[in-house]
Amino acid sequence: ELKVEQNPLFLSMQEGKNYTIYCNYSTTSDRLYWYRQDPGKSLESLFVLLSNGAVKQEGRLMASLDTKARLSTLHITAAVHDLSATYFCAVELFSNKLIFGTGTLLAVQP
Amino acid sequence: DAGITQSPRHKVTETGTPVTLRCHQTENHRYMYWYRQDPGHGLRLIHYSYGVKDTDKGEVSDGYSVSRSKTEDFLLTLESATSSQTSVYFCAISGQGGQPQHFGDGTRLSIL
Repeated sequence: ELKVEQNPLFLSMQEGKNYTIYCNYSTTSDRLYWYRQDPGKSLESLFVLLSNGAVKQEGRLMASLDTKARLSTLHITAAVHDLSATYFCAVELFSNKLIFGTGTLLAVQP
Repeated sequence: DAGITQSPRHKVTETGTPVTLRCHQTENHRYMYWYRQDPGHGLRLIHYSYGVKDTDKGEVSDGYSVSRSKTEDFLLTLESATSSQTSVYFCAISGQGGQPQHFGDGTRLSIL
């Protein structure tokens, strides 16, 4: 059974601090996506990682993919309150199917 | 923003009644998906479509059926709704592999 595990499930951090969210998956895939979801809202695409070693950065967020370790990370640098949201990773299978992790709820405290 | 419209946005109904949710896209994308989102489970794929009249099951398809008679419309039907199907339902679309799926605004469905 394919599993996509994120940790931590909940992260409370102070503004200005750095932290990393981890996404482990149990099948072979070269494609991984990160999404953000604000409370009561839809999902917004953040990053598309399409090969081993891929690294993407946008503002205070940086995502990377290690397909050999079946691991992706989402690194947060100098967190600000506006980054508070739930973050999901998703692994792509055939027919563009995505299997989502359970999400990481990030709360950035002033 | 990708042109995806879900309807209705909210619905309350009773156990045993049929329910149909609609997803409409204006992007002419090939792939369409239905997910449900529940606390502690993330998003789980119900059914997906890879073309007109081409559909397949996802990981939680029991109790659900779908139809796609036109590129732009993907319907999700609960033939006889149960309380366990109370959830938030999201539709998504994508053009091809390697492109992110774009999500609709969701339908909040409550079954009493």
